Amino acid sequence: SQQGEEDPQALSIQEGENATMNCSYKTSINNLQWYRQNSGRGLVHLILIRSNEREKHSGRLRVTLDTSKKSSSLLITASRAADTASYFCATEAYNTDKLIFGTGTRLQVFP
Amino acid sequence: KAGVTQTPRYLIKTRGQQVTLSCSPISGHRSVSWYQQTPGQGLQFLFEYFSETQRNKGNFPGRFSGRQFSNSRSEMNVSTLELGDSALYLCASSLNTGGQETQYFGPGTRLLVL
Repeated sequence: SQQGEEDPQALSIQEGENATMNCSYKTSINNLQWYRQNSGRGLVHLILIRSNEREKHSGRLRVTLDTSKKSSSLLITASRAADTASYFCATEAYNTDKLIFGTGTRLQVFP
Repeated sequence: KAGVTQTPRYLIKTRGQQVTLSCSPISGHRSVSWYQQTPGQGLQFLFEYFSETQRNKGNFPGRFSGRQFSNSRSEMNVSTLELGDSALYLCASSLNTGGQETQYFGPGTRLLVL
């Protein structure tokens, strides 16, 4: 089964609103990454947060990691129509080299 | 630097046939990973190659195989195609092996098995 489960499965918001996506995972991890995929194309790396970090920012993106709850959240502030995409979390489980992807959240931002 | 390229972009095959997909990583990257993406199963890890050696393998049958050449280019082969093999096949490259590395994805090969 997949390492990460994302919630919600789909999210629709208006431009300018914030979007929050959550990711839960099952085992200890070395790091957690977030990727974006535009309509069935390749994935683009957004941000990586290490297991000893709690929060990280990159532009309009804010990622938090709670290893005690085995969960992470991705916040996109002041969303734009161009943010419309699917967002995936990916984890490298401890003592493995494999990157396992979650189920994804489909974000729709209406202009 | 040129990004990860995958060929072909689209492919239609019939059940029982075999198919070979190609991936050229970013110059200097030595690790290539392959993923299968379907609406039902999401993104599933197939295998990873590093310096011509398979480093990791996902839970796919032996019909799925791959290899990596000395220039880091990689090929993936699926034999005896089944309808369920219809999917978007993504390859990703990284500088070194390991999930700690940022993966750079290609645009994918969309395979349809009829």
